[in-house]
Amino acid sequence: DADVTQTPRNRITKTGKRIMLECSQTKGHDRMYWYRQDPGLGLRLIYYSFDVKDINKGEISDGYSVSRQAQAKFSLSLESAIPNQTALYFCATSPRGDTQYFGPGTRLTVL
Amino acid sequence: DQQVKQNSPSLSVQEGRISILNCDYTNSMFDYFLWYKKYPAEGPTFLISISSIKDKNEDGRFTVFLNKSAKHLSLHIVPSQPGDSAVYFCAASEAGGTSYGKLTFGQGTILTVHP
Repeated sequence: DADVTQTPRNRITKTGKRIMLECSQTKGHDRMYWYRQDPGLGLRLIYYSFDVKDINKGEISDGYSVSRQAQAKFSLSLESAIPNQTALYFCATSPRGDTQYFGPGTRLTVL
Repeated sequence: DQQVKQNSPSLSVQEGRISILNCDYTNSMFDYFLWYKKYPAEGPTFLISISSIKDKNEDGRFTVFLNKSAKHLSLHIVPSQPGDSAVYFCAASEAGGTSYGKLTFGQGTILTVHP
């Protein structure tokens, strides 16, 4: 079984809809992250959490919110999806260090 | 402002030859650097890293070189294999302060290794 799982893997939605992307990990890491990948821009950090009670904004948090339900679960929500949020979304985890381990990604399309 | 830059969007190499992927950074507070590899429909996977106290780190066919004065690092793959064809991301992090534990990524370079 994969150490970091993301659901759904693909999602098509309409402008204005609320969307939740979920991430679960079995690695036992305290730190979890959400990134989005756009062509030509690499991966950009949306939100990160160093433990269950710690939530921090990344460089592009506007239009997103997160919830850290447990050490193993970190969800990303788009309150009202817009087309420029169409992207690949990755969850990552990390022990107390710099190396991060990524999930397989969610491809989100907002029409 | 892009603090980590990979100026070559793509690189094409013959099997058996050396692949050299480059990365430049502007933030002098970065002290740890990583390379990730990404195949289509998968998440990035960690490949190799280097601390700023070193100028070279080697792992099998992969070697990362760091030139702190030039704020430049490179990944060498020797010999290149068709299975190395992927997108390669350079990433960097700072030692402490509010940025500790956060990675800043470059735009990625698509490597194609031809048989």
